[in-house]
Amino acid sequence: DAGVIQSPRHEVTEMGQEVTLRCKPISGHDYLFWYRQTMMRGLELLIYFNNNVPIDDSGMPEDRFSAKMPNASFSTLKIQPSEPRDSAVYFCASSLGQGGNTEAFFGQGTRLTVV
Amino acid sequence: GDSVTQMEGPVTLSEEAFLTINCTYTATGYPSLFWYVQYPGEGLQLLLKATKADDKGSNKGFEATYRKETTSFHLEKGSVQVSDSAVYFCALSGSTTSGGSYIPTFGRGTSLIVHP
Repeated sequence: DAGVIQSPRHEVTEMGQEVTLRCKPISGHDYLFWYRQTMMRGLELLIYFNNNVPIDDSGMPEDRFSAKMPNASFSTLKIQPSEPRDSAVYFCASSLGQGGNTEAFFGQGTRLTVV
Repeated sequence: GDSVTQMEGPVTLSEEAFLTINCTYTATGYPSLFWYVQYPGEGLQLLLKATKADDKGSNKGFEATYRKETTSFHLEKGSVQVSDSAVYFCALSGSTTSGGSYIPTFGRGTSLIVHP
């Protein structure tokens, strides 16, 4: 398996524009996580899915953020409208949630810059 | 809720020095403990893990022992190299006492800089 695949790797957009980040988890993994990483706040969990169902989105900062997982092999994180404070690196990770003793596999991240 | 606290960095060392990065945790039940490493421009990747008390995880010369009595999982390496320069994250995950779903919980990360 190629691992968790995220696209794009880099995104530069203007304030007010819609941004869509994409993630393909590892085949067979039943958990998918979206994280945001910044210098100020470190690694923040935004939302996670189990078997394509959103379980906890309490980390999503505002209604401008939304995430979907239409099937087991694809998830999106959308920001509409984007703001400069959304600039960060966004990571997708997947895992097998068997009792919690398995690792999370991370993608390489999408570096988002909102100008 | 569950939490992980690790020492703030950056930690700056000379090559071949001894490394310790402290990590303590708070959790219900019996979590598994992890160290992840993040190299510049990349995602986090697992470095080592331990799934029960007194277990020692090891990889690439790094090791950490799951200490339930002190709720700690300190990362150590006897002789660091320049290539070890990265950000290190301590993490835990564990099912609830009822066996429910889990969420990986990460510390803030500790930056390690190794000079030649």
